[in-house]
Amino acid sequence: EDKVVQSPLSLVVHEGDTVTLNCSYEVTNFRSLLWYKQEKKAPTFLFMLTSSGIEKKSGRLSSILDKKELFSILNITATQTGDSAVYLCAVEAGANAGKSTFGDGTTLTVKP
Amino acid sequence: DAGVIQSPRHEVTEMGQEVTLRCKPISGHDYLFWYRQTMMRGLELLIYFNNNVPIDDSGMPEDRFSAKMPNASFSTLKIQPSEPRDSAVYFCASTRQISTEAFFGQGTRLTVV
Repeated sequence: EDKVVQSPLSLVVHEGDTVTLNCSYEVTNFRSLLWYKQEKKAPTFLFMLTSSGIEKKSGRLSSILDKKELFSILNITATQTGDSAVYLCAVEAGANAGKSTFGDGTTLTVKP
Repeated sequence: DAGVIQSPRHEVTEMGQEVTLRCKPISGHDYLFWYRQTMMRGLELLIYFNNNVPIDDSGMPEDRFSAKMPNASFSTLKIQPSEPRDSAVYFCASTRQISTEAFFGQGTRLTVV
């Protein structure tokens, strides 16, 4: 059974801090790893990673994948209160392309 | 495009009743996914379609759940009969190609009492 484990489960920081969220996985036939941000409603896409060592960056957010050690990290620098959300990691794997397993998420709270 | 549209947004029903959730994917997206999200189990993939054909339904919890996609612009998820443990937020998502970002609908919050 495919497994995706995120850590920490929750995190409280102050504005301006830098945070690192972790996602490790054990899957068969890895295809891609995706990060989503979920505020009150639907998850919204952040990054998709397929190759090791190539950093994806969008503003203050960045992410990288290590396919040898089977993990990914999501970094957020200079955090803002608007970054408060649940961050979900999903891994697509298996014989059927499209089958994703989600981690439980990391709940990030950024205090003013 | 208006994005993925789900209806209803909220549904409260009594145990034993039939529930039908609806989804309109983004036009031109070939893949449609149904997910369920609960506090206990997180976000789980139930079933997904490619070009209206079900590809993997291994996440469907039991025979009470069924999903259809009669055409490229419409899908339903049906629960019959519903039970209190089915209470969750049900998301529909679509993608243009496989292994690309999924666009999620706003979800249907189902409460079975």
